Amino acid sequence: DAGITQSPRHKVTETGTPVTLRCHQTENHRYMYWYRQDPGHGLRLIHYSYGVKDTDKGEVSDGYSVSRSKTEDFLLTLESATSSQTSVYFCATGTTYNEQFFGPGTRLTVL
Amino acid sequence: KNEVEQSPQNLTAQEGEFITINCSYSVGISALHWLQQHPGGGIVSLFMLSSGKKKHGRLIATINIQEKHSSLHITASHPRDSAVYICVCSGGGADGLTFGKGTHLIIQP
Repeated sequence: DAGITQSPRHKVTETGTPVTLRCHQTENHRYMYWYRQDPGHGLRLIHYSYGVKDTDKGEVSDGYSVSRSKTEDFLLTLESATSSQTSVYFCATGTTYNEQFFGPGTRLTVL
Repeated sequence: KNEVEQSPQNLTAQEGEFITINCSYSVGISALHWLQQHPGGGIVSLFMLSSGKKKHGRLIATINIQEKHSSLHITASHPRDSAVYICVCSGGGADGLTFGKGTHLIIQP
């Protein structure tokens, strides 16, 4: 599997606070993705990147922003966390848009 | 938008049984993935295929492009195969992935 790490792995925060999740890869993959996984909904795409500084919105992007200043890092920011953003967040990477190598996930709880 | 349907949604079987999980989709695709997720665990990509068949150990994945259908087979199933199996269809472009809801597989000893 690709060298993909996510940090933090677990986080509990309060409503209204900003939160940043980090995805780091050592594979020099061009594409990077952020998903959330919720019971009954499966995996849903939040944002994706097709290169440094090139990002675009996915299916459930409201309330989230991303940045990619280096090939290896893709940051997901919740500007003002809400309870509806309690979820498990997965990062994925790939050399083409067909590839999907997943990180270990981050469990976020917003109280 | 591609409609991806997996069946069955839940499957319980005995150790050693031959397992088949199905995935049907509505729109032509460039590739199809099978993912595995153990309870509370991460997601592993098992296969990516665009035609024919692939085999890895006891796992076999097939795809029929004309019929818009793929199957994942597990031979000699084992309790450690208990997981959620997710079918993902890639229709082109980084935002062109459509995920199935997953099949919950339990293999009892």
